[in-house]
This record gives sequence, structure tokens and C-alpha cells, in this order.
Amino acid sequence: AQTVTQSQPEMSVQEAETVTLSCTYDTSESNYYLFWYKQPPSRQMILVIRQEAYKQQNATENRFSVNFQKAAKSFSLKISDSQLGDTAMYFCAFMYGGGATNKLIFGTGTLLAVQP
Amino acid sequence: DAGVTQSPTHLIKTRGQQVTLRCSPKSGHDTVSWYQQALGQGPQFIFQYYEEEERQRGNFPDRFSGHQFPNYSSELNVNALLLGDSALYLCASTHRLGPRLYGYTFGSGTRLTVV
Repeated sequence: AQTVTQSQPEMSVQEAETVTLSCTYDTSESNYYLFWYKQPPSRQMILVIRQEAYKQQNATENRFSVNFQKAAKSFSLKISDSQLGDTAMYFCAFMYGGGATNKLIFGTGTLLAVQP
Repeated sequence: DAGVTQSPTHLIKTRGQQVTLRCSPKSGHDTVSWYQQALGQGPQFIFQYYEEEERQRGNFPDRFSGHQFPNYSSELNVNALLLGDSALYLCASTHRLGPRLYGYTFGSGTRLTVV
């Protein structure tokens, strides 16, 4: 069975600083995808960044980047130049295969608070 | 371009009652998944529909059922409500060619409270 673990229930960072959120996963699959989703108080799950397991290069989206360590099954999210609008719940998620029936498996989330 | 639309936004029901939640997928998407998010937890997969059929199901009892209509919209039905069914129910849509290409788009959810 596939599992996703987020060991940091809550984190806090000062505005403009950098923060890293941790995620580990367990799978025997070789073809899979990893995601970070943000859930603000509006409740809508918003995709932050995605990583395909066969790609060795770490994904980057503006201020957001990942550190993907396939052998260690680790997928951390780094947020640079943190902004007040980054305050939200962040979920790490895993999906394997490529068909339409693939479900997302989520971790329990990390609540990030950006302090002014 | 409208995203995923869910209704209602909030709902209060009594134990034993039945509830129906609705979802309209993003334009161009034909596949709908439903997730249950209990307070303080990550979303848990309930089931997925495309071509009006349930294609995959998570570890949820038969009290949870669904339907997809020809216009790709979907309903989630829960019978014999329990207090433990209180949660945020999220709908996510994608295209059948795969979320790898099209990604998942989530709605803002329906907050169900069972009293």
C-alpha cells in the first residue's frame, strides 16, 4: 500500500524568509507522481508544484521548489521569500500510473503560518 | 473559465438522514473524483466516475454512492448518516486521458455537519 507521511503538523516562518516542508512516502511502484497542494481558508485545494518520478531534475515554480530524493523516498517543498498569502495548509500527495482512474493519496498536512 | 463548482457549500443533517452533494467539473474535464476530508486530516479518496460509471472506489461503505450524468456533472449520496460522516467533501475533476496531462482541479467543497 502507498502511504504519505508529513511529520510537521505546524510550522511558522517570518515574511521574506525561506521555509522547507517535509514529506516522505512509501511505494513499490516505479512510475509515479508527487504533488504539493495548498489549501487556504477558502478550502479549495490548489496545486503548487508537481514532480514526475522518472525526472531527476527537481521541479521549480517561481518561489516554490522541491527536493526530490527518490532513493530516500523524500519530497520536500521549499518556499522562498515567504509571503503572507502563503499562509495555508499544505498537503503532499502521491499518484501512481498514468490512467484516468488514478487516485491521489494525501498526507495529513502541514499548517504553515507566515508571520509579518 | 469556470472551475469546479460544488453545491451546497454548507449542510447540516441529522443522524440517519440521507444527503446529496453536487459537483460540476471544470470545462473540458470528463472525470470526477470525490474525497472526504475530516477535520485536521488529509483528503481520503471515495470514488471516481467517468463515462457515467464508477471506475475506482476507496475504502468507504456502500452507504456512499454516486452518479455521473451525461454532462459530466456528478452527485455524491450518503445514506443513514453517522456523526462520523461530518467532514468537508471535495470534488476533483480531470480528463480521462489522465491527470498527468490535465491535472486535477478541486472545488471548494461542501461542509457537511451531522448532528
